[in-house]
Amino acid sequence: EIVLTQSPGTLSLSPGERATLSCRASQSVSSSYLAWYQQKPGQAPRLLLHGASSRAAGIPDRFSGSGSGTDFTLTISRLEPEDFAVYYCQQYGSSPGTFGQGTKVEIK
Amino acid sequence: QVQLQESGPGLVKPSETLSLTCTVSGDSITSYYWSWIRQPPGKGLEWIGYIYYSGSTNYNPSLKSRVTISVDTSKSQFSLKLSSVTTADTAVYYCARSTRLFYYGSGNYSPDAFDIWGQGTLVTVSS
Repeated sequence: EIVLTQSPGTLSLSPGERATLSCRASQSVSSSYLAWYQQKPGQAPRLLLHGASSRAAGIPDRFSGSGSGTDFTLTISRLEPEDFAVYYCQQYGSSPGTFGQGTKVEIK
Repeated sequence: QVQLQESGPGLVKPSETLSLTCTVSGDSITSYYWSWIRQPPGKGLEWIGYIYYSGSTNYNPSLKSRVTISVDTSKSQFSLKLSSVTTADTAVYYCARSTRLFYYGSGNYSPDAFDIWGQGTLVTVSS
């Protein structure tokens, strides 16, 4: 199965700053079938992006995704207070689909 | 709008079978692919398996020997059974929806990204 490694483990930033999160796959992810989720404490994950760069319904355009093959990036252009959370990547380009271990974006 | 709601016992004894149900409301259960995903406390996410309304299933190989997922279209519900549980199965269990399914050969499938999730239910395995 494909192992996804997210970095950094924790990102300490201030509101208004730019956040760049990395997701690296142990093998190439077919057709860029990679998604990003946001999870806040006590809540279910929320889909942000699919197909590496397509925003899900209702997701603000400050969230963007890029990458292909084994290297993918989630960028939050200007952090809003509600963006401080844990972010997971997930690949569905092979079976079984797998998730990364998460990156926590915390307030500096 | 579509809503998913998990239900079932919050406490299961070791070696017994964990049973959960997900009720789908606001849309037809026949139009999508339905998965179970779990998250141990303080840890990451693990896909358990999926089902289609026809009864077609695919499971994560890591759990395949212990997992059964079934569907009851008349009740708009799908269910998870996980047998021979241990403390390592303690987790929040989520049900989730996908709009597409991808085939990767040798009977292996992977659902699309999960666009709708239930709120999750904590299941603790303890004597």
